[in-house]
Order: sequence, then structure tokens, then C-alpha cells
Amino acid sequence: QVQLQESGPGLVKPSGTLSLTCAVSGGSISSSNWWSWVRQPPGKGLEWIGEIYHSGSTNYNPSLKSRVTISVDKSKNQFSLKLSSVTAADTAVYYCARDVDREGFDPWGQGTLVTVSS
Amino acid sequence: DIQMTQSPSSVSASVGDRVTITCQASQGISSWLAWYQQKPGKAPKLLIYAASSLQSGVPSRFSGSGSGTDFTLTISSLQPEDFATYYCQQANSFPLTFGGGTKVEIK
Repeated sequence: QVQLQESGPGLVKPSGTLSLTCAVSGGSISSSNWWSWVRQPPGKGLEWIGEIYHSGSTNYNPSLKSRVTISVDKSKNQFSLKLSSVTAADTAVYYCARDVDREGFDPWGQGTLVTVSS
Repeated sequence: DIQMTQSPSSVSASVGDRVTITCQASQGISSWLAWYQQKPGKAPKLLIYAASSLQSGVPSRFSGSGSGTDFTLTISSLQPEDFATYYCQQANSFPLTFGGGTKVEIK
């Protein structure tokens, strides 16, 4: 079955760029699914960041759109998130997930905590 | 953006109780609604999609209903492993949005 695994630095300096990668295993990123990033600040709820299709088409949350870039690397079967100009408000657990035909996110990666601090 | 409002924000219940969580969308979303369960330190788990379809492998004590703006997640007989936080999520339009969560606690 498809499994997702996030990776990337756990600490980013304010005004820097957060960069994460989600490796897809057990299936192809070129399947007919969208691939999303979702974040969760400590003790708070879930926020959808954006998504990408294997063709490179993207949809972003307008609240983050000016700072977000999601890309796909089909050769490595992975997709990535870049969030620029980060502040402490961007401290969160970042999850990658597969969106199956708008029928929910499944599966999810285990999540990775990114802390923005100097 | 479509706002998703869950109630209650928390509920205390006992094993065997019937628990109902509601989710209201700020505008109609047809049946484009999913429910998730999240336990501390873990990723959310998809329970229900398309408002009322049970995800494979999810126990039948979980059920979902509703369409338009008003939705319900019901746990028919609460089990010890069901104590968690539950979220609804709309997939009708961008940006995709989640409810604020409902924490189901042990009474």
C-alpha cells in the first residue's frame, strides 16, 4: 500500500525558507491523485497548504500562496514544499498526504515538526 | 473560504456511549465532506468520505450523514480506542478547509 514519509530540517531561522520533501513508496506519484501538504501548529487544528498533480499543476491556500511553492520530482517519486519568509507562526507539524478524488486525505505521512527560531 | 464549524469542541463520554459530533459548513458543499480521527502525536486517519461512506478498515460503529451544510459523525458504541480528536474537512472548493476539532474524552 502507498506510504508517505516527510523529511527535512526541523529548525529554520526566522525569515528563512522551510523546505520539506515527501517520499512516496508502494505506489507511483504519477497515479491519478493529488498530493497535498497540511500543517498543524502545536495544540491547534489542521490547515491545508496546497497540492500538486504529477503534471505539475498546483492549487494553493490563498493565505499562504505568496510564500508557498510545491513541486514534484517524478524520477524520485516524491514531492516537495518550500515556504519562504517564515516566522514563529509557521512552527507546526507538517504532513504530506494523498488526496483520493476529493474523497479525503489517505494515507498521511507521520508528520515532521518544524520549529522557526533563531 | 468555506468555514467549517464543529460542535461540541469537546465531549466527555463513557465506554459504550453513543457519541454524535456535528459539522456545519458556511455554505453548501453537497456531500464533499470527510471525517478524520487523530490521536496524540499521530497523523489524522480518514474515517468517512463523501459524507457517509466508510473508509476501508474502519469499524462499522462509525457512521456519517448529512449533505449541504449540516453533517454528523456518530460513534454508536464508544470503545476505549476511540478517545481522540475528530475533524471534519470540506472538499467542495478551494481552499480545502477543516473544522476546529472535537475532543472525545473519557468521562
